[in-house]
Amino acid sequence: QSVLTQPPSASGTPGQRVTISCSGTSSNIGNNYVYWYQRLPGMAPKLLIYKSYQRPSGVPERFSGSQSGASASLAISGLRSEDEAEYYCAAWDDSLTGHVVFGGGTKLTVL
Amino acid sequence: QVQLQQWGAGLLKPSETLSLTCAVYGGSFSGYYWSWIRQPPGKGLEWIGEINHSGRTNYNPSLKSRVTLSMDTSKNQFSLNLRSVTAADTALYYCARNPTRGASGWLDYWGQGNLVIVS
Repeated sequence: QSVLTQPPSASGTPGQRVTISCSGTSSNIGNNYVYWYQRLPGMAPKLLIYKSYQRPSGVPERFSGSQSGASASLAISGLRSEDEAEYYCAAWDDSLTGHVVFGGGTKLTVL
Repeated sequence: QVQLQQWGAGLLKPSETLSLTCAVYGGSFSGYYWSWIRQPPGKGLEWIGEINHSGRTNYNPSLKSRVTLSMDTSKNQFSLNLRSVTAADTALYYCARNPTRGASGWLDYWGQGNLVIVS
């Protein structure tokens, strides 16, 4: 069972806006930045959002991140077929000696 | 452009030691943390641990007793050893770079992944 909680699935039609949530606690999201990764089939994960809101160079503006308290969200606007993938959130967890925790992943289907 | 290339044995028997190595090309080795992450079949990502160029490590508490991370700065390589493997360690293993001084979930470059099967 993953430390961060994500819905196992999400879906939308092309052009729609989809939001994926990520819920944690005060020891992780509540006190640290959130990172989002996209994993296309057969590929290594790709960084989508860093420091909760920032997009790496090359990531379309359609992808945006937000954070409030111990929860975070990834929004994808103007949904496209190539966005069909698994999405994972991650954060540093301050408990014990400190470690990275991931969400269980959300499978996004573009209908 | 930074590239991570990883390799290691893909089939192990229970109780053996999993060993993977990741080489870093095209960028500095120092000043970063270098991480290992795995994904068991049908499950989510799990962080294993990280090491910096000085050899300082952070481990996932659930794996700490069986994991050793090491590095060879002369070759720009870092390695994962996971002892006493079981079928539960069957997973796709990735190496990745943390572009900060640790203590974050930021992983900007990833290796291609290695499937390790314990049977």
